[in-house]
Amino acid sequence: GQNIDQPTEMTATEGAIVQINCTYQTSGFNGLFWYQQHAGEAPTFLSYNVLDGLEEKGRFSSFLSRSKGYSYLLLKELQMKDSASYLCAVRDGGFQKLVFGTGTRLLVSP
Amino acid sequence: GAVVSQHPSRVICKSGTSVKIECRSLDFQATTMFWYRQFPKQSLMLMATSNEGSKATYEQGVEKDKFLINHASLTLSTLTVTSAHPEDSSFYICSARSLAETQYFGPGTRLLVL
Repeated sequence: GQNIDQPTEMTATEGAIVQINCTYQTSGFNGLFWYQQHAGEAPTFLSYNVLDGLEEKGRFSSFLSRSKGYSYLLLKELQMKDSASYLCAVRDGGFQKLVFGTGTRLLVSP
Repeated sequence: GAVVSQHPSRVICKSGTSVKIECRSLDFQATTMFWYRQFPKQSLMLMATSNEGSKATYEQGVEKDKFLINHASLTLSTLTVTSAHPEDSSFYICSARSLAETQYFGPGTRLLVL
């Protein structure tokens, strides 16, 4: 079956660094995506990992270990606008569809 | 990034009526589009995969006769919720896959069935 786990909620302060973890067990694997979703809006693409290692994009970085079924999203220099849900999604190798985790609600406080 | 639009953004309808939602990829051709449903404070649940020119593939538990999907062109897919009931009230989101294999999401359609 498909199982993708993320913490439900996290809190952090403005200017800090936060790491959101994602573990997965899926029947196939063809890449892992991170999306940001503000309340009432559609998800926006943040990052994509298909090989092991770290991908850096500005204040956001994403890491993947395929052997451990593990990824994390690292957010640096947190800003208030980073308060949102962060969704980890695994692309099924056979059907190319995305399977989403439950999402992590991040609250950034002053 | 690529742009995907959805129309309408919000719809209120009476129980028993049908509602059509359009999903368009504005600046790229999408051979595959996906339809998701999201209930409050929950993650996205894939309803169906829509391939241009062929029948949609529905996820387990999704009624194909209730949620009609048509992918008539490389830039347009439609989802019709037939005989809508209050339990169908949800946030419906489409996504389109680009040649780069990244999925881009539309802004979503909030459906309220009275």
